Amino acid sequence: QITLKESGPTLVKPTQTLTLTCTFSGFSLRTSGEAVGWIRQPPGKALEWLALIYWDDDKRYSPSLKSRLTITKDTSKNQVVLTVTNLDPVDTATYYCAHKAPEVRETHFDYWGQGTLVTVSS
Amino acid sequence: QSALTQPASVSGSPGQSITFSCTGTSSDVGAYNYVSWYQQHPGKAPKLMIYEVSNRPSGVSNRFSGSKSGYTASLTISGLQAEDEADYYCSSYTSSGWVFGGGTKLTVL
Repeated sequence: QITLKESGPTLVKPTQTLTLTCTFSGFSLRTSGEAVGWIRQPPGKALEWLALIYWDDDKRYSPSLKSRLTITKDTSKNQVVLTVTNLDPVDTATYYCAHKAPEVRETHFDYWGQGTLVTVSS
Repeated sequence: QSALTQPASVSGSPGQSITFSCTGTSSDVGAYNYVSWYQQHPGKAPKLMIYEVSNRPSGVSNRFSGSKSGYTASLTISGLQAEDEADYYCSSYTSSGWVFGGGTKLTVL
């Protein structure tokens, strides 16, 4: 059974850096094909894909946010960490981590965490 | 990469069939058969309903089906039920990663 859970601050100030942790179980990022991604959703708005990391440490980033994002993994702790720099109030959103189905590199997100709401405000 | 285009809202009566559209470009929906659909109830995480255009995950009702033609993917719900009322998002792989649609709010009348 695959589960994921996001953790991190609920309130951050503009210009600060946000660090979010996704702790998962039911699979390992040491296993070929596995990957974890981050998706966010501003209040009342649509989903937006941010970043993804594969088992082989290959990383993908949203082109529009690439300069501000870093994704890393700690396979010993079953965790994936996303950092977002230079925060702005428009970054206020619920941040989800999700497991990418392992069959092919390009396919869907089959399990999602519950999400964590991050508010950017001074 | 631009978001995929979905109608903002759709409504239907119980028992009806309803189809959502999701329009992309030659770089996403038109290029890959990696289109997926997610259902999201208020305050909840998205739930995968369809993957790779037309495949249903285990546990998802066979009332949900997906298809694609050219740059447009579609999700059809047959035998509409009150519990289907939710937001629905399409997603496609692109050469730059993944892109989501703006979402469609389904109202069951």
